[in-house]
Amino acid sequence: DTEVTQTPKHLVMGMTNKKSLKCEQHMGHRAMYWYKQKAKKPPELMFVYSYEKLSINESVPSRFSPECPNSSLLNLHLHALQPEDSALYLCASSQDERLAGGTGELFFGEGSRLTVL
Amino acid sequence: DQQVKQNSPSLSVQEGRISILNCDYTNSMFDYFLWYKKYPAEGPTFLISISSIKDKNEDGRFTVFLNKSAKHLSLHIVPSQPGDSAVYFCAASPILQGGSEKLVFGKGTKLTVNP
Repeated sequence: DTEVTQTPKHLVMGMTNKKSLKCEQHMGHRAMYWYKQKAKKPPELMFVYSYEKLSINESVPSRFSPECPNSSLLNLHLHALQPEDSALYLCASSQDERLAGGTGELFFGEGSRLTVL
Repeated sequence: DQQVKQNSPSLSVQEGRISILNCDYTNSMFDYFLWYKKYPAEGPTFLISISSIKDKNEDGRFTVFLNKSAKHLSLHIVPSQPGDSAVYFCAASPILQGGSEKLVFGKGTKLTVNP
């Protein structure tokens, strides 16, 4: 299984809603990432989890709250979002390249298309 | 079937010299190409991109060259610095429209710049 699965594929929410994006991988990867991709732009890194601990937060507003319940799952909790937060949210994972044989090769999910009304 | 190939898993260069990282692709629908840089225990971050209407894009010490007929692109780093030591990923997609196209990544090339 070399897949990164993201749900839901599409999400429409109001500015007062609370919702979550989910990401799952069963490749034994210990690094997981959230990216945000706006129209006609490359993906921008938001968060990095390494060994289930948040290691990087790229100055993301607190209305985005990541969570890593276990080594296979990564969530992104959304609350009080703004219309400008509408984007494609991509999850990715990789093996730790510091480990023997670890290349750091990236595996991306298909993304969750978020629309904030 | 790999659509984006980085055939060199690793590259070692001396500080001050040029680093050349190569990438080949097979999908003729790819029109937009990116390079990402990744340090250990950090997320890949966007470095530089090029669209098919150009054959060269330069940003400081980093230059990306695109040869569409050969389906080949390369990243040049001049001069190389020890802080450039990282894994470099090539990625490609059709022209980003609405952000819906999935980027296809190569496996990466680990660059080591020796002092």
